[in-house]
Amino acid sequence: LAKTTQPISMDSYEGQEVNITCSHNNIATNDYITWYQQFPSQGPRFIIQGYKTKVTNEVASLFIPADRKSSTLSLPRVSLSDTAVYYCLVGDNDSSNTGKLIFGQGTTLQVKP
Amino acid sequence: NAGVTQTPKFQVLKTGQSMTLQCAQDMNHNSMYWYRQDPGMGLRLIYYSASEGTTDKGEVPNGYNVSRLNKREFSLRLESAAPSQTSVYFCASSEDGQSGWPQHFGDGTRLSIL
Repeated sequence: LAKTTQPISMDSYEGQEVNITCSHNNIATNDYITWYQQFPSQGPRFIIQGYKTKVTNEVASLFIPADRKSSTLSLPRVSLSDTAVYYCLVGDNDSSNTGKLIFGQGTTLQVKP
Repeated sequence: NAGVTQTPKFQVLKTGQSMTLQCAQDMNHNSMYWYRQDPGMGLRLIYYSASEGTTDKGEVPNGYNVSRLNKREFSLRLESAAPSQTSVYFCASSEDGQSGWPQHFGDGTRLSIL
């Protein structure tokens, strides 16, 4: 049973803003929402994390509506180097142990010149 | 500060051979994880260790065993390798197992089983 749902792929052009939405209907009250980025032949890298409303860092913004059943990762003015797979991660609230964190299927972002 | 270190980076095995993948972290994290990633797919959790002395099964534990040797080290063992276990294996660690703590990943071990 998938815990998150993301688009499989997205295309964009350099300089555009990219928004990737993740659905997580079963998010638990205490769960945070975390996004990772993965380049080929590398391990995933933490991008941003939030609990509610909006979070911004030097790389991205994360928008979380009041019901927390979805979240949107926003990448401003993407470049070719932002081509990667992006994963949305929330806690597995079906598990008896909150150590079980389930990755979604990821969104492959292709940035074109 | 090395973060999460995995060894070896590459390995080729024959069906039926055994092997242990090593993982060490130097961030004093309590929780550690082993994932596998198959081509074109996301990461699937094999085993995790919420804290030193504890381990628990993840999504795809069959064919694997783990040992949390101490707080720093978490190893993954394939007792009798099978071609279906050809994959890239990632180790990760976090402050603890709650989702509020980001996971830090190693660069992976690429394992091929013939």
